[in-house]
Amino acid sequence: DTEVTQTPKHLVMGMTNKKSLKCEQHMGHRAMYWYKQKAKKPPELMFVYSYEKLSINESVPSRFSPECPNSSLLNLHLHALQPEDSALYLCASSQGGSHLNTEAFFGQGTRLTVV
Amino acid sequence: DQQVKQNSPSLSVQEGRISILNCDYTNSMFDYFLWYKKYPAEGPTFLISISSIKDKNEDGRFTVFLNKSAKHLSLHIVPSQPGDSAVYFCAAGAAGNKLTFGGGTRVLVKP
Repeated sequence: DTEVTQTPKHLVMGMTNKKSLKCEQHMGHRAMYWYKQKAKKPPELMFVYSYEKLSINESVPSRFSPECPNSSLLNLHLHALQPEDSALYLCASSQGGSHLNTEAFFGQGTRLTVV
Repeated sequence: DQQVKQNSPSLSVQEGRISILNCDYTNSMFDYFLWYKKYPAEGPTFLISISSIKDKNEDGRFTVFLNKSAKHLSLHIVPSQPGDSAVYFCAAGAAGNKLTFGGGTRVLVKP
């Protein structure tokens, strides 16, 4: 199983809503990531979890709140988002640990629209 | 400050010919480099990687070359196929599991 599964595939939310994006992998990877990608731009790193601990936060606004309940799951909680937060949100995982720079496997993404 | 740059936003190549995609980086701390392929509305798919201790890595039709002194890497696709039409991102990794992506090159392979 080399899949990273993200749900939902599409999400439309209002600026006062609270929603969560979910990501799951069963490859035994110990590093998991959230990226944000706007149209015609490269993915931008938001957060990195290594061994279920937050290791990198790229100065992401607090309206985005990551959570790693266990080594297979990664959530991104959304609250009071702005229309400019509309983007494709990508989850990825890699072996992590001592293999810091192995390839990251990406999920299909959640297309988020904030109205 | 773009640490990873792909200076060609697009590339058009005839089926069966070679596609060469280029990527330049500025951060000498990068020690691992990857190429991803992306179709519209999908997540990037890993293609091939190379660590800084090598200068070439080959996997089927895909070969990545690394020139550390020039801080340059390239991806060769031989022969190019219509299914290779996609956006290709190079990415560079440093300690801490942080990947930095280039801006992407859109490849169109014409039958």
